[in-house]
Amino acid sequence: DTGVSQDPRHKITKRGQNVTFRCDPISEHNRLYWYRQTLGQGPEFLTYFQNEAQLEKSRLLSDRFSAERPKGSFSTLEIQRTEQGDSAMYLCASSAILGETQYFGPGTRLLVL
Amino acid sequence: QQPVQSPQAVILREGEDAVINCSSSKALYSVHWYRQKHGEAPVFLMILLKGGEQKGHEKISASFNEKKQQSSLYLTASQLSYSGTYFCGTEWDSGAGSYQLTFGKGTKLSVIP
Repeated sequence: DTGVSQDPRHKITKRGQNVTFRCDPISEHNRLYWYRQTLGQGPEFLTYFQNEAQLEKSRLLSDRFSAERPKGSFSTLEIQRTEQGDSAMYLCASSAILGETQYFGPGTRLLVL
Repeated sequence: QQPVQSPQAVILREGEDAVINCSSSKALYSVHWYRQKHGEAPVFLMILLKGGEQKGHEKISASFNEKKQQSSLYLTASQLSYSGTYFCGTEWDSGAGSYQLTFGKGTKLSVIP
């Protein structure tokens, strides 16, 4: 399977705990995106990378969120001191170049109790 | 900056046609269409680039009116498998050559026998 993969698929955590999600993009794609999706809404842009450089972060992304893509391949999204409002589906997507199709991974569903 | 989709929901019988509209207040670089089934990741349908032609495959096609910053998705002779939520994503220059993909709230399409 050469699609975008995400791990874990589901995560339940208690408020105040830290969580980390991983995304492995399609291998030849140098652009990687993180989105958050809540019930009944479309995906909301969080941040994106071109290779290892984080080029843009949404104003929605609080200081508790951090993302890395250390070698320009896989990426991690960490949420510190989780809050109940962080409960959502976290989607990762990748694309080859600007304006090209973004292919989504299966997502990580986070539930903060 | 979020594009506006209409209608919010539509119910079709198999074989009927549907049109889903997406409009933006921004000067768009591209419009992306995705379909998402419950609990799954969005699946790419097609992308329309500024200055490009109308796209389509099988019985699903789309157009992009650059003057009005509007796109329409056309589904003809609908099948049960077309059921899902359709999202348009609009890509525009958010500054310094940085492009974000912003999704609408979606149109829920239900095809019944």
